[in-house]
Amino acid sequence: GENVEQHPSTLSVQEGDSAVIKCTYSDSASNYFPWYKQELGKGPQLIIDIRSNVGEKKDQRIAVTLNKTAKHFSLHITETQPEDSAVYFCAATSGGSYIPTFGRGTSLIVHP
Amino acid sequence: NAGVMQNPRHLVRRRGQEARLRCSPMKGHSHVYWYRQLPEEGLKFMVYLQKENIIDESGMPKERFSAEFPKEGPSILRIQQVVRGDSAAYFCASSPGETYGYTFGSGTRLTVV
Repeated sequence: GENVEQHPSTLSVQEGDSAVIKCTYSDSASNYFPWYKQELGKGPQLIIDIRSNVGEKKDQRIAVTLNKTAKHFSLHITETQPEDSAVYFCAATSGGSYIPTFGRGTSLIVHP
Repeated sequence: NAGVMQNPRHLVRRRGQEARLRCSPMKGHSHVYWYRQLPEEGLKFMVYLQKENIIDESGMPKERFSAEFPKEGPSILRIQQVVRGDSAAYFCASSPGETYGYTFGSGTRLTVV
């Protein structure tokens, strides 16, 4: 089955800096890669996703890049704000399935 | 739109008791997924259900755990004879069909004492 590795496990930045979270996956047939943000005491919320036929996608301060050859994808947050502090999960969905495999999460702390 | 509703938010059970976790999917969603989240770990898939059918239970422990999604009413995740290792946050998600992108509920935090 699919295996997703996520790094770093903790990321601490100053407000206004950029943050990058990286994930690798094992199944070359995976074709959908969502990112979720989980705030304390809440469920994960989908913040951005990318499909395998696209190399990059951007939504305001958030962008995701995908390198299919290397089987890795990254989340980029620019101009970080304290409200960006949360746990971020990447996931990969193998072809033929709609059930994603999640990474272990990255705790992002943005210091004001 | 109330979103995915899970209850209770917090549940405390003594070892050996039964735990019942409920999930009402978003309006118009007929597919439900249950995940377990242990402290400082990712989300682990447990089971995928459609109305009255279990589609994929490959992540469900073989004993003590069961799930259902009846024609009427919420989906239920049932854990019999709970043990301390069952303590975790259990999340339900729903989708309108076989499509990408879930909507998650706020979870039920089960504590076994």
